[in-house]
Amino acid sequence: KAGVTQTPRYLIKTRGQQVTLSCSPISGHRSVSWYQQTPGQGLQFLFEYFSETQRNKGNFPGRFSGRQFSNSRSEMNVSTLELGDSALYLCASSLDSGPGATPLHFGNGTRLTVT
Amino acid sequence: DQQVKQNSPSLSVQEGRISILNCDYTNSMFDYFLWYKKYPAEGPTFLISISSIKDKNEDGRFTVFLNKSAKHLSLHIVPSQPGDSAVYFCAAKGNSGGSNYKLTFGKGTLLTVNP
Repeated sequence: KAGVTQTPRYLIKTRGQQVTLSCSPISGHRSVSWYQQTPGQGLQFLFEYFSETQRNKGNFPGRFSGRQFSNSRSEMNVSTLELGDSALYLCASSLDSGPGATPLHFGNGTRLTVT
Repeated sequence: DQQVKQNSPSLSVQEGRISILNCDYTNSMFDYFLWYKKYPAEGPTFLISISSIKDKNEDGRFTVFLNKSAKHLSLHIVPSQPGDSAVYFCAAKGNSGGSNYKLTFGKGTLLTVNP
């Protein structure tokens, strides 16, 4: 079974531009979550989608948005990029959402550099 | 407001000895706890989990202990191997109000196992 696939792996953008990152979950997984990892800050939760609906949202500005398609694939978009948005963006999928220790399965991330 | 804390940024142990990674949490609504391992340039991979109704869970060389009264959990790796060298993240989930059941991560502990 293929794992979580994130594209692209690396991205360099300029301040003020916008960017779209893509995530294909494991087949059969309906929940997709996005995290931002920066040095010293661990993994910060961005949002979670389940069956095309946003279920949870973290404390990020409105410049960060996402969506999920009917095939469970997900995209996240960052508009008006700032230098501080440089980070590793991780996508994770799971069978379901809600209570229980259903583990998240992570992709290898997209490394975004804003110059 | 950091609800999951890993106070040791790094830990170094000798091959064959025990590695103990610690994690504290503040939110009493957390009811599932998970540990993830992350190698550079890869996404985190799930290691082991524990429900709040248990105080210990074991899987091979990995054991997680939960002390609910102290809001503390620890991951024991015995015996430690050089391939265990990675960043370890503690994570927790529960019905915590506005962000139900999202997985909240600590900042991670870099484990180095010396041959």
